[in-house]
Amino acid sequence: AAGVIQSPRHLIKEKRETATLKCYPIPRHDTVYWYQQGPGQDPQFLISFYEKMQSDKGSIPDRFSAQQFSDYHSELNMSSLELGDSALYFCASSKGGGQTLYGYTFGSGTRLTVV
Amino acid sequence: GESVGLHLPTLSVQEGDNSIINCAYSNSASDYFIWYKQESGKGPQFIIDIRSNMDKRQGQRVTVLLNKTVKHLSLQIAATQPGDSAVYFCAQTPGAGSYQLTFGKGTKLSVIP
Repeated sequence: AAGVIQSPRHLIKEKRETATLKCYPIPRHDTVYWYQQGPGQDPQFLISFYEKMQSDKGSIPDRFSAQQFSDYHSELNMSSLELGDSALYFCASSKGGGQTLYGYTFGSGTRLTVV
Repeated sequence: GESVGLHLPTLSVQEGDNSIINCAYSNSASDYFIWYKQESGKGPQFIIDIRSNMDKRQGQRVTVLLNKTVKHLSLQIAATQPGDSAVYFCAQTPGAGSYQLTFGKGTKLSVIP
């Protein structure tokens, strides 16, 4: 079965650079969620989209932005990177506009390292 | 000095024994509670969920217990196997139809062969 695809798997950036993380949801899923997981930490919700509109917003820094495109894939744009942004970034997708846990599936994540 | 959050609680069990992983939650308005398994370098993998109007749910080799009185959730794994070694997280929804998940602190399960 198709899963949530995230790219790249690994990314190394320098401080103050920008990064773009991509997420391709499971086919026919219309909702995408982004989470950040620091070393040894639990995942923290950043932001979610349903039908290309932002649906919920969590602890996403102002330096980050995200959007969902017409094909339902989503991109997380991160600017002015800081050392503390080094983390695993997970994307999850589901069907139903965040009104159900149906098919709520996580991708394998992008490991971002800021040096 | 030691950084907060780098040391996960660890549970070591003998292969074949039962494991119990506990989680305290804070939001009593939550309508869903979920247990996830996370292996190194991978995303959280769904194990089992339970609605807030239930107190017990069983899956294959796993059972989740919900005690809303003391805001406590537990995951029981029967006949623990080496492949069960991972970090386990509980998560909850905020309620009111939202499904942004709030994760609890993970517990690292190590299975001794």
